[in-house]
Amino acid sequence: NAGVTQTPKFQVLKTGQSMTLQCAQDMNHEYMSWYRQDPGMGLRLIHYSVGAGITDQGEVPNGYNVSRSTTEDFPLRLLSAAPSQTSVYFCASSYRPGGSQQYFGPGTRLTVT
Amino acid sequence: GQQLNQSPQSMFIQEGEDVSMNCTSSSIFNTWLWYKQDPGEGPVLLIALYKAGELTSNGRLTAQFGITRKDSFLNISASIPSDVGIYFCAGSPYSGGGADGLTFGKGTHLIIQP
Repeated sequence: NAGVTQTPKFQVLKTGQSMTLQCAQDMNHEYMSWYRQDPGMGLRLIHYSVGAGITDQGEVPNGYNVSRSTTEDFPLRLLSAAPSQTSVYFCASSYRPGGSQQYFGPGTRLTVT
Repeated sequence: GQQLNQSPQSMFIQEGEDVSMNCTSSSIFNTWLWYKQDPGEGPVLLIALYKAGELTSNGRLTAQFGITRKDSFLNISASIPSDVGIYFCAGSPYSGGGADGLTFGKGTHLIIQP
């Protein structure tokens, strides 16, 4: 099993550009989520999904869109990147909304200039 | 949203020393989780706690779920160089740790001097 994979590992965008951060898991997990990690801020939940076709907002959803068309994939879209979105983004998955066995991907480091 | 205070922010210790860190919450949590993050990697779950007063060990790591349900502690005994990293606590108001309700602390950066 590859676990949770994220691409790209690094990305630099100009303000206003759009892009999609990819996340995939091969563990047949129903629950997937996206976090951002900023220095001194810990991890903050952006969006999450409890299964294919179902998504919901987390603590900091503004500026991000998600969709869940398959169990395996949970892409995060930035429609118009802003410098405030410079961060490290982590995708996570678990069997259920139980957090206890939540597996994290290696992260995507995004810089918006 | 809920606030989690994690302390200390960083620790500089000698190899072989014991380490203690804690998290306190402004509200009651029903699940406490402790993660470790290595540089350039995602967090990895160390210990999960589901009951007030629970004490759980994972090798040299021991974590406790506070009786008030507003705090948790992580201890590392006889630290070794590979213990270096950032340790995060996370709490949830849901039993079983519903990830949609997880609040993370800001992390404790552990640095070990040989």
